[in-house]
Amino acid sequence: EIVLTQSPGTLSLSPGERATLSCRASQSVASTYLAWYQQKLGQAPRLLIYDASSRATGIPDRFSGSGSGTDFTLTISRLEPEDFAVYYCQQYAGSPITFGQGTRLEI
Amino acid sequence: QVQLQESGPGLVKPSETLSLTCTVSGYSISSSYYWGWIRQPPGKGLEWIGSFHSSGSTYNNPSLKSRVTVSVDTSKNQISLSLSAVTAADTAIYYCARVRGAYYYMDVWGKGTTVTVSS
Repeated sequence: EIVLTQSPGTLSLSPGERATLSCRASQSVASTYLAWYQQKLGQAPRLLIYDASSRATGIPDRFSGSGSGTDFTLTISRLEPEDFAVYYCQQYAGSPITFGQGTRLEI
Repeated sequence: QVQLQESGPGLVKPSETLSLTCTVSGYSISSSYYWGWIRQPPGKGLEWIGSFHSSGSTYNNPSLKSRVTVSVDTSKNQISLSLSAVTAADTAIYYCARVRGAYYYMDVWGKGTTVTVSS
């Protein structure tokens, strides 16, 4: 099983700042099969990024993903008030599909 | 526009079977995509339960072993989940989602339904 570790656990920033979230895998994630999701309080997760760097439909270009192997990054270039939420990474390179424990992005 | 809606009893007794239904609108479940169940215990992260195809292909999380059963009703465009021998550890929000493949990302999610296991 591939274990995903996200850091930091909580990130405190202000609107307009840049956010960098990390996801580290316990073994190499083949073919960059990694996704990022945003979850706001009381809502379902929303797909942001798939295949490590491809933005999902309707996702603003301030969200970008990068990385390969065991180290992946989600970057939000300029934070908007609606971006403060919990972010999860997910690998789908093998079974079982696993998620990171999440990073809380707070104002 | 694809929409998914989970439904089921909010309270289940320990040792009994949890049964949930996911109704899909705006897309045929018989098409090429898979459909998945994911759960989230209160205040915790996400856990993949399994991915399923209308053809009968099933891929489950080994951690849930043989407790998971999924069925598909193409006439109603519904996917059903059964989880047997539940304990308090199965208390969670249960989401259904469209999955791009057997082991893939989830691009459309339902709003989720809360299930509490308690006597």
